Amino acid sequence: QVQLVQSGAEVKKPGASVKVSCTVSGYTLTEFSMHWVRQAPGKGLEWMGGFDPEDGETIYAQEFQGRVTMTEDTSTNTAYMELSSLKSDDTAVYYCAREVGFYASGSTSFDTWGQGTLVTVSS
Amino acid sequence: QSALTQPATVSGSPGQSITISCTGTSVDIGSFDLVSWYQQHPGKGPKLIIFDVTERPSGVSIRFSGSKSGNTASLTISGLQPDDEATYYCCSYTSASAFYVFGAGTDVTVL
Repeated sequence: QVQLVQSGAEVKKPGASVKVSCTVSGYTLTEFSMHWVRQAPGKGLEWMGGFDPEDGETIYAQEFQGRVTMTEDTSTNTAYMELSSLKSDDTAVYYCAREVGFYASGSTSFDTWGQGTLVTVSS
Repeated sequence: QSALTQPATVSGSPGQSITISCTGTSVDIGSFDLVSWYQQHPGKGPKLIIFDVTERPSGVSIRFSGSKSGNTASLTISGLQPDDEATYYCCSYTSASAFYVFGAGTDVTVL
């Protein structure tokens, strides 16, 4: 059974950094690309970035470039998303999502999601 | 500001069919058959219900179907049921800088 289990809620002060983890089971992390999506309170889904197997690089949404880093530890089957220089606008639930297929293959979707991690940024 | 445009709300009575539109541009929906739809109940994570415009994952009800015409994708829910009351998001690959973009979401109300 495929599962993505995320780390617990975080409270951070403006200017700080947060690192959210996503541990997968039921498959090996390197078999599929991992992406991160966030959702501010009462708002919609926002794609933050993910691994592009076509280029072998991690792609970040322009809004987060320079502030976000997505990494993976294959020894523990865990993906990480670190966001720095936090602002109150970064208060949101952060999801990891497994991508099945990829754009260049002509088929892609986010078929499995983590339970979400609430990050609250407040002074 | 979302790159894909969805209606804020759509409603229907039990048993009826409803359609949710998702309008993009020639750099996303218009050029790629890489549209997916997600259902999200309050307090829960998103669930994939349609991928590659028309494909349904195993276990998803046949009452959900997808289509596309030009720059607009659509999700149709037939035989509306109370549990269909949720927020629905479309998503598309885009050749613009964002890579993947979501719509702002559509709240479905079962009257």
